[in-house]
Amino acid sequence: QSVLTQPPSVSGAPGQRVTISCTGSSSNIGAGYDVHWYQHLPGTAPKLLIYGNSNRPSGVPDRFSGSKSGTSASLAITGLQAEDETDYYCQSYDSSLSGWVFGGGTKLTVL
Amino acid sequence: EVQLVQSGGGLVQPGGSLRLSCAASGFTFSSYWMSWVRQAPGKGLEWVANIEQDGSEKYYVDSVKGRFTISRDNAKHSLSLQMNSLRAEDTAVYYCARSSCYYGSGSYCYFDYWGQGTLVTVSS
Repeated sequence: QSVLTQPPSVSGAPGQRVTISCTGSSSNIGAGYDVHWYQHLPGTAPKLLIYGNSNRPSGVPDRFSGSKSGTSASLAITGLQAEDETDYYCQSYDSSLSGWVFGGGTKLTVL
Repeated sequence: EVQLVQSGGGLVQPGGSLRLSCAASGFTFSSYWMSWVRQAPGKGLEWVANIEQDGSEKYYVDSVKGRFTISRDNAKHSLSLQMNSLRAEDTAVYYCARSSCYYGSGSYCYFDYWGQGTLVTVSS
């Protein structure tokens, strides 16, 4: 059971907008630690999508955006494309565990 | 271009040992924290270990403390993970990753470049 909770799956039609939530607690997101997001196709290297809650690395389309409020964070994907169908993970730091933690992952299906 | 090329891995019996390596290029290796992250079959990503720039600070997930050792050689631009007393639950694809940290704290880090991954299978 992950310290950061994500929905196991989300889906949307091409062109639509979807959001993926990441719920933590007072020892991680709620303590002010930033949230980062990754896109991961199993068998390949994960890719950084969002860092510091809402910043996009160069090369990441502006269809991807991140936000954080209280003990939760969200990844939004607009203009859904078939190539977006893969797994997404949030990551932060947890002071109780004294370590870096990932959410359980969310599988995005493009209908 | 930042590159992280991994080697090592394979099949090992429970209780055995294995060493993973990661050769870095394309950036100033000694300026970055480095990490290992794994993904067990059918499971999500799990952070395993971090090492600070000069190797003086090391952190581990509880499940590998006392069994795994992360190390680095800044002169050779290389990162290693020595895994001892391996268990079936350590079976996973292991990734090395560059960690970009800010606010002068290891608590604010993200993994911006990743190796290709290497499979470790612990089985008799």
